[in-house]
Amino acid sequence: SQQGEEDPQALSIQEGENATMNCSYKTSINNLQWYRQNSGRGLVHLILIRSNEREKHSGRLRVTLDTSKKSSSLLITASRAADTASYFCATGLNNAGNMLTFGGGTRLMVKP
Amino acid sequence: ETGVTQTPRHLVMGMTNKKSLKCEQHLGHNAMYWYKQSAKKPLELMFVYSLEERVENNSVPSRFSPECPNSSHLFLHLHTLQPEDSALYLCASSQDPGTGRDGYTFGSGTRLTVV
Repeated sequence: SQQGEEDPQALSIQEGENATMNCSYKTSINNLQWYRQNSGRGLVHLILIRSNEREKHSGRLRVTLDTSKKSSSLLITASRAADTASYFCATGLNNAGNMLTFGGGTRLMVKP
Repeated sequence: ETGVTQTPRHLVMGMTNKKSLKCEQHLGHNAMYWYKQSAKKPLELMFVYSLEERVENNSVPSRFSPECPNSSHLFLHLHTLQPEDSALYLCASSQDPGTGRDGYTFGSGTRLTVV
């Protein structure tokens, strides 16, 4: 079954606003990753946060991880029209040999 | 350009055709993956290769046949597909198999339409 689930499924904001996307998962994880996908293209790795980390930053991206609630959030600050894309969380399970499992994604639209 | 190249970008094939999708990476990665992305569904992992050995096969129908001749190349051979197989097929690679220390690098995908 699907490990990660993003919320909301779709988000529409104005340029300059912040965008927050959430991801919930079911079992204990080794790490959690966020990816971005422009329409009809491949996924691009944005950031990886390990299970012993609580927060990580990369440019305008801020990721938090709460292992007690089995949830993560991705915050994009000062959004731009070019941030319009789908964003996916992917979880790496603790079991050896397990591969990344992706959620259904959040479709973000940033209006100029 | 991510370092993972997929060809062709678009493919239209009949249900009786045989075609192949190609993926190439020169990142020095040891693991390669095929994912299927259908409309309104999460990415589905199809096959995983680690150092040219298949390590995972997620109950994929036999009409999909992977091949990994070396650590840089991965193929997906297609035959007698069904219309529901129409999807975006994504290839990815990572340094190590599994969850990836630095994440996965994806190709741009092949948009497959079965008519």
